[in-house]
Amino acid sequence: DIVMTQSPDSLAVSLGERATINCKSSQSVLYSSNNKNYLAWYQQKPGQPPKLLIYWASTRQSGVPDRFSGSGSGTDFTLTISSLQAEDVAVYYCQQYYNTLYTFGQGTKLEIK
Amino acid sequence: EVQLVQSGAEVKKPGESLKISCKGSGYSFTSNWIAWVRQKPGKGLEWMGIIYPTDSDTRYSPSFQGQVTISVDKSINTAYLQWSSLKASDTAMYYCARENYYFDSWGQGTLVTISS
Repeated sequence: DIVMTQSPDSLAVSLGERATINCKSSQSVLYSSNNKNYLAWYQQKPGQPPKLLIYWASTRQSGVPDRFSGSGSGTDFTLTISSLQAEDVAVYYCQQYYNTLYTFGQGTKLEIK
Repeated sequence: EVQLVQSGAEVKKPGESLKISCKGSGYSFTSNWIAWVRQKPGKGLEWMGIIYPTDSDTRYSPSFQGQVTISVDKSINTAYLQWSSLKASDTAMYYCARENYYFDSWGQGTLVTISS
């Protein structure tokens, strides 16, 4: 299995400030034949299903605000929220789809400071 | 608009059987795999398995192999997750999701509570 490890487990950021969440995979999720990183980010607000934010490590899903961005390659990835809004309070998960065991990170809880 | 609509909350006793459903609409149901994901109370997301509606090809997470059965009825655009003998530890929210490499659309979730 590919193990996904997120850091930190929780994070408190002031409104308007930058939030950064990290995700590390136990092996590379970069597929050399197409140079794509098989890594997605999801947002889950309380009482709601997860929502896809970012796929291929850095492609924003349609409708996702441009304050959300993804970066990284190989085994190390980052989700950045450039200017935190109140509605961004949620748990964020990374997920690899490089192999079809689809493992998720443990989640990072983002709160307002 | 792509929609996955799941069946309603269930309360069952240990040892009972259960089958929950996930109905797709707004896209060609047979074009994408459908995944099932478990979320225990206050915990993270666990991928359980996935099925391809066209031919019912099914893959399971090793953690769930033999514990659940995933099936599909493509004639009514519906995927299923079933248990033959529930345990208290099966208490969780269960989500279906459309696979497009990543999971791009999710159902609203089905809460399953197992209590004697």
